[in-house]
Amino acid sequence: GAGVSQSPSNKVTEKGKDVELRCDPISGHTALYWYRQSLGQGLEFLIYFQGNSAPDKSGLPSDRFSAERTGGSVSTLTIQRTQQEDSAVYLCASSLNSGQGAGELFFGEGSRLTVL
Amino acid sequence: DAKTTQPPSMDCAEGRAANLPCNHSTISGNEYVYWYRQIHSQGPQYIIHGLKNNETNEMASLIITEDRKSSTLILPHATLRDTAVYYCIVSPDSNYQLIWGAGTKLIIKP
Repeated sequence: GAGVSQSPSNKVTEKGKDVELRCDPISGHTALYWYRQSLGQGLEFLIYFQGNSAPDKSGLPSDRFSAERTGGSVSTLTIQRTQQEDSAVYLCASSLNSGQGAGELFFGEGSRLTVL
Repeated sequence: DAKTTQPPSMDCAEGRAANLPCNHSTISGNEYVYWYRQIHSQGPQYIIHGLKNNETNEMASLIITEDRKSSTLILPHATLRDTAVYYCIVSPDSNYQLIWGAGTKLIIKP
């Protein structure tokens, strides 16, 4: 497809389980971003990739969160030992590059995570 | 903390121009102003961005004051499909860590 694709669209899990969220960016986009959005809130930055490297992981809320990107394309966000406060919509975005004023971020539809 | 201030909500009549204000009094000289919107249950959608000059595209116009401390997003002929939360964002050193506030919930009324 032409846009950013995320899967699963919805995930319900039990507290303590691990989850993996996948993002397939727009072909040719070198920059990839993960954000989190809790109900009624703005977006919270988690991590950003330029190619396969992650220059800034400062937004990851704890060491239970990790992300990787392979082949400069698909990225996976992993949450280990999920907690109820991890419940949110996880949004992925991509852009051609990441420089200042580089222009628009293209967002996927998000993965809604519910931890019971 | 978000670097912008927006009203939490606004109404606009269908067919009228919707003018959404944003204050960014601490903006630096090399920081851009971005506008995105988020329709319910969808990912955010880019609208427009600018540095100093006013900008216009097929979706909207962006008016930035001369001192760059505030801006206005203008949707020239609002439709019901424009009902969304509109985010005004000032970019830091690069556009990867856009700091998102709560935005303005714009409701277009028939």
